Amino acid sequence: GQNIDQPTEMTATEGAIVQINCTYQTSGFNGLFWYQQHAGEAPTFLSYNVLDGLEEKGRFSSFLSRSKGYSYLLLKELQMKDSASYLCAVRETNFNKFYFGSGTKLNVKP
Amino acid sequence: GAGVSQTPSNKVTEKGKYVELRCDPISGHTALYWYRQSLGQGPEFLIYFQGTGAADDSGLPNDRFFAVRPEGSVSTLKIQRTERGDSAVYLCASSLAGSGANVLTFGAGSRLTVL
Repeated sequence: GQNIDQPTEMTATEGAIVQINCTYQTSGFNGLFWYQQHAGEAPTFLSYNVLDGLEEKGRFSSFLSRSKGYSYLLLKELQMKDSASYLCAVRETNFNKFYFGSGTKLNVKP
Repeated sequence: GAGVSQTPSNKVTEKGKYVELRCDPISGHTALYWYRQSLGQGPEFLIYFQGTGAADDSGLPNDRFFAVRPEGSVSTLKIQRTERGDSAVYLCASSLAGSGANVLTFGAGSRLTVL
């Protein structure tokens, strides 16, 4: 199985930078994913890391260290619309399952 | 279709009743997943289909839960003798198969309330 931990809630100011951390313990690993979920809506894909390092995608970046079982999602130039839950997910080796963390609720204040 | 479609969007039922939840995946996506999400939690894996067959049903909580995908497209999640603890949002997702399965596209979910 998988154990995925991320903070429950974070608050940041519009225009600032925020880093959401995720640690995981897995029996098999084939990729770390970040999804965004607005309240009452479906999760939507943000980023994917399978190799160590930083993946940048506009205002969003995601980092992975496989040896440490650690990832983070970095959000720059925060906007009010970034207020949402951010889900860290690990895909296991056989591609069948994606295990999700409980999500980090990000509150962006003016 | 353009996205993953789930019906009904909301279902209220009484304890002990039978419910069916339907998922219509993105055309061409051979992989289909069912997840369950309770308030304040992340999605919990239930079952995965590759084509018509249930390739992995290890997440189904007990034998009251069953899912089918007879023609490799639309899938139905069936819950017998519903219990209050089954109340949750049931999410369906589809993707390309194998190593192309980098992105799960989720439907809006079916919110099930068992009274």
